[in-house]
Amino acid sequence: DAGITQSPRYKITETGRQVTLMCHQTWSHSYMFWYRQDLGHGLRLIYYSAAADITDKGEVPDGYVVSRSKTENFPLTLESATRSQTSVYFCASSESPGAGTEAFFGQGTRLTVV
Amino acid sequence: GDSVTQMEGPVTLSEEAFLTINCTYTATGYPSLFWYVQYPGEGLQLLLKATKADDKGSNKGFEATYRKETTSFHLEKGSVQVSDSAVYFCALCTGGGNKLTFGTGTQLKVEL
Repeated sequence: DAGITQSPRYKITETGRQVTLMCHQTWSHSYMFWYRQDLGHGLRLIYYSAAADITDKGEVPDGYVVSRSKTENFPLTLESATRSQTSVYFCASSESPGAGTEAFFGQGTRLTVV
Repeated sequence: GDSVTQMEGPVTLSEEAFLTINCTYTATGYPSLFWYVQYPGEGLQLLLKATKADDKGSNKGFEATYRKETTSFHLEKGSVQVSDSAVYFCALCTGGGNKLTFGTGTQLKVEL
């Protein structure tokens, strides 16, 4: 199916464990993004990527690692999960930059760190 | 840095009522402005957008006008429906990189 998919949809992990959230898009969009959604903060950018092998930090990158070896995949890894990383994570993609370019979002991954 | 401020929610309205959700922004340069909507259990989807001053974005009966003089992009709808119940996010994008800066979101609940 065309679109952007995230997996898993729900994840419970323990403090200190490594966890990877997956994101896959079928449009060959250049740009991909990871946001976290927390009550009272809206969505905040964690990392983004302009193309394969090009990544950059967003507003809240600490504790996260990303890679982009293929255009269509953009996994997000929490190296050592903490309770403060309990959140809903959204992956998004968009075409090359231009005024008003739309971002397309996945359905989100709800992560709970216990 | 860039920021977006939108009205606190939740907002509860009766069906067919008039809706306004206020949004103001601070940005360097000339941002593009967006409203995204998040229905329960789903990701965000674009509702409407405007790319320059005085542009009006519209979709599904919703409208918003890019007001540079007041740095605002208020969302309006003349007659809301129960199916409009969702969380609405105002957002902006400046410069390159397509990075969006979001407001905190406003939850709308429409009752019969």
